Amino acid sequence: SFELTQPPSVSVSPGQTARITCSGDALAMQFVYWYQQKPGQAPVVVIYKDTERPSGIPERFSGSSSGTTVTLTISGVQAEDEADYYCQSSDSSGTWVFGGGTKVTVL
Amino acid sequence: QVQLVQSGAEVKKPGASVKVSCKTSGNTFTNYEINWVRQATGQGLEWMGWMNPNSGNTGYAKKFQGRVTMTRSPSITTAYMELSSLSSEDTAVYYCARSGNSGYDSWGQGTLVTVSS
Repeated sequence: SFELTQPPSVSVSPGQTARITCSGDALAMQFVYWYQQKPGQAPVVVIYKDTERPSGIPERFSGSSSGTTVTLTISGVQAEDEADYYCQSSDSSGTWVFGGGTKVTVL
Repeated sequence: QVQLVQSGAEVKKPGASVKVSCKTSGNTFTNYEINWVRQATGQGLEWMGWMNPNSGNTGYAKKFQGRVTMTRSPSITTAYMELSSLSSEDTAVYYCARSGNSGYDSWGQGTLVTVSS
């Protein structure tokens, strides 16, 4: 099995940029998806296939990839962006894994 | 937009089984895989497995193999996840999620399963 590693927490002031990394050996060959989860709610996909943004997701959310590390960037962070963020990917056998999650705190 | 509606909360004793349902709206039930994800209180998301509603094919995370069964009833556009030999460590919110081109694009509201003697 493979693992995805995320920092447990990221703190950012309103209007600044938050960057959340996700690392894993399989990421050089597999797409990554990013989910936002607010307390008491189901997750919502904010980035898919490394860099694509679903309709309805604000443009301040973007994704990038470099080797075995992918990054979710939130530009111009707003208070409503405070949430847990999870990366997700799969291995070649079709097994999916989530990262441990990153709590984004807006100061 | 498709909606996934799950069955209500369950309380089970250790050793028992639980079966959670996930009903999808619309007429696209057989076009997208259904995945199951669980989340213990204060913990992260844990992928359990997937099911193809058209063929019935499944794939389970190694951790749950032998203990989880995912099935479906196309006639009522409902997917099911049954977990057996429950222990307190299985206490969690269980989600079904539709797997589309943009990832898990629709989620159920979650079903709390509590395992307690």
